[in-house]
Amino acid sequence: NAGVTQTPKFRILKIGQSMTLQCAQDMNHNYMYWYRQDPGMGLKLIYYSVGAGITDKGEVPNGYNVSRSTTEDFPLRLELAAPSQTSVYFCASSDLMYNTEAFFGQGTRLTVV
Amino acid sequence: GESVGLHLPTLSVQEGDNSIINCAYSNSASDYFIWYKQESGKGPQFIIDIRSNMDKRQGQRVTVLLNKTVKHLSLQIAATQPGDSAVYFCAERATSGTYKYIFGTGTRLKVLA
Repeated sequence: NAGVTQTPKFRILKIGQSMTLQCAQDMNHNYMYWYRQDPGMGLKLIYYSVGAGITDKGEVPNGYNVSRSTTEDFPLRLELAAPSQTSVYFCASSDLMYNTEAFFGQGTRLTVV
Repeated sequence: GESVGLHLPTLSVQEGDNSIINCAYSNSASDYFIWYKQESGKGPQFIIDIRSNMDKRQGQRVTVLLNKTVKHLSLQIAATQPGDSAVYFCAERATSGTYKYIFGTGTRLKVLA
């Protein structure tokens, strides 16, 4: 049982490049989330999903896209990287039917130069 | 809109003393409030939660207090230890079917030897 796994751990992108941040969970959780955390700041919700095939915008969705084709995977796509997207990205999952605890991955540190 | 904030960005506490971390929230419709601990370089980790119909909940060395009248949440850590040094976030779970977690800015707790 690995919990929430994010890849890659680190990435440097050039302005205008695109990439996909991977997130997978093996706890059969319906709810999954993507957050970004800027230095010295809290977590801002980018997108979330309440189940396979269902996604919705969070607080800061601009510049990102997500998909949820399976319960396990919730990739985050950056199409045209900008310096403002330099941040640490966290994926989380939860089973809100039974408890409030959200399990977080270790994060992906992204730098856009 | 929904927002969760914290009163103190940094808190320094002597080892063995009690710590109190505060949080203000604005969405009175949230049904759960949660405290997370984030150690350097790691994802947030669940500490304790409290349902909106409660005013106090105790865990191991931690107590969460909820004052709905003034929309205030606090985390009390008894006999603070060096391992408690981290950033602490409060979060609220939004209701109305979306089940989003909205995080506050965070408080850094420094434990002095």
